[in-house]
Amino acid sequence: AQKITQTQPGMFVQEKEAVTLDCTYDTSDPSYGLFWYKQPSSGEMIFLIYQGSYDQQNATEGRYSLNFQKARKSANLVISASQLGDSAMYFCAMREVSNTGKLIFGQGTTLQVKP
Amino acid sequence: DTEVTQTPKHLVMGMTNKKSLKCEQHMGHRAMYWYKQKAKKPPELMFVYSYEKLSINESVPSRFSPECPNSSLLNLHLHALQPEDSALYLCASSQGTSGSGETQYFGPGTRLLVL
Repeated sequence: AQKITQTQPGMFVQEKEAVTLDCTYDTSDPSYGLFWYKQPSSGEMIFLIYQGSYDQQNATEGRYSLNFQKARKSANLVISASQLGDSAMYFCAMREVSNTGKLIFGQGTTLQVKP
Repeated sequence: DTEVTQTPKHLVMGMTNKKSLKCEQHMGHRAMYWYKQKAKKPPELMFVYSYEKLSINESVPSRFSPECPNSSLLNLHLHALQPEDSALYLCASSQGTSGSGETQYFGPGTRLLVL
């Protein structure tokens, strides 16, 4: 069974608008971390934001915020005020304490920002 | 500073060649990783080194041989590769491997083409 599911293969957003990228996960481990990475066409995987399973508040980093709904096992990424440079592939990933060293990735969502 | 460097950026090799990929980080991280990524797919973990010792080998064919000469350097030696090994090879590092919150920082990758 897939542990990380990103159901949106591709998305479009108008410049300056907000966009939500969906991510659901499956784990029986009570301790886990959730990550979002951005991968532009150049190839580099850029770390955006992290949410721990015990964190009470949603993580925020600049224009990025993570909408963490633990009961629903979802960790959606919200990008506010989209910019043309936000066009990229976005990966949601999970790391379980019991799965030392392994980062499990979703299939990714390609975001295109329209001018 | 969260920089991981990789050389070369691009590599073309024949099936009988021997080549090496190099990865370097100066963040004091004690865990380093090699991933393989095909186009429009998530990265696939290949190897994990923790404190300079190989801790995870994801059943990678022996034509890929990792090496960790010291805590800052990670090499991937390539020999007798197949055309299907053509991919983006990403290196990453993290503080350690013991926690669910260990963020992995990625390098820009090496684009490998096997002819």
